[in-house]
Amino acid sequence: SQQGEEDPQALSIQEGENATMNCSYKTSINNLQWYRQNSGRGLVHLILIRSNEREKHSGRLRVTLDTSRKSSSLLITASRAADTASYFCATNSGYSTLTFGKGTMLLVSP
Amino acid sequence: GAGVSQSPSNKVTEKGKDVELRCDPISGHTALYWYRQSLGQGLEFLIYFQGNSAPDKSGLPSDRFSAERTGGSVSTLTIQRTQQEDSAVYLCASSRLSVITDTQYFGPGTRLTVL
Repeated sequence: SQQGEEDPQALSIQEGENATMNCSYKTSINNLQWYRQNSGRGLVHLILIRSNEREKHSGRLRVTLDTSRKSSSLLITASRAADTASYFCATNSGYSTLTFGKGTMLLVSP
Repeated sequence: GAGVSQSPSNKVTEKGKDVELRCDPISGHTALYWYRQSLGQGLEFLIYFQGNSAPDKSGLPSDRFSAERTGGSVSTLTIQRTQQEDSAVYLCASSRLSVITDTQYFGPGTRLTVL
């Protein structure tokens, strides 16, 4: 079953704009991870945030986690056409496996 | 070093045939995972190998699915008597340690089409 649910399902923006994607989950977690997938193939790990962390940065990425609301957001600043991809959140709830959401498709137009 | 590799990259088969999908994890990674991704969907966990422990098969959808990991390295996912609903991209991932905070590195996937 899907633990994480991303919102929106699809997002279309212009280069230079910021993109915000949200993820909600249902059960308590140990950590939450964001992945990117190009062209429906392999996933690339972007960032991991632990349940005791509230915010984390990596380059143009900013991830927040609100465990009281069971939600996370991924912000991509100053987007580029190369950021076009699907973005998935994945939760870890005490086992080594991850539970993925259905993803947000991001389109960044030049 | 080399990442996770999978073969074949694409496989087209007829309904009822058996298929084998291969995953070569990153050298030295003790944990290996198989996921399935149907069109427009997120990833569905299938099976997880952790070192020498018994694999976690809780995600396998039916007894037609099985997987092996030989010598703690290469893994093969076998689907017997394939059905059209088995069509999906099968993704393999490995991680260095079998701990919950370790990053999983994904291969490019095998796109399986059952006609």
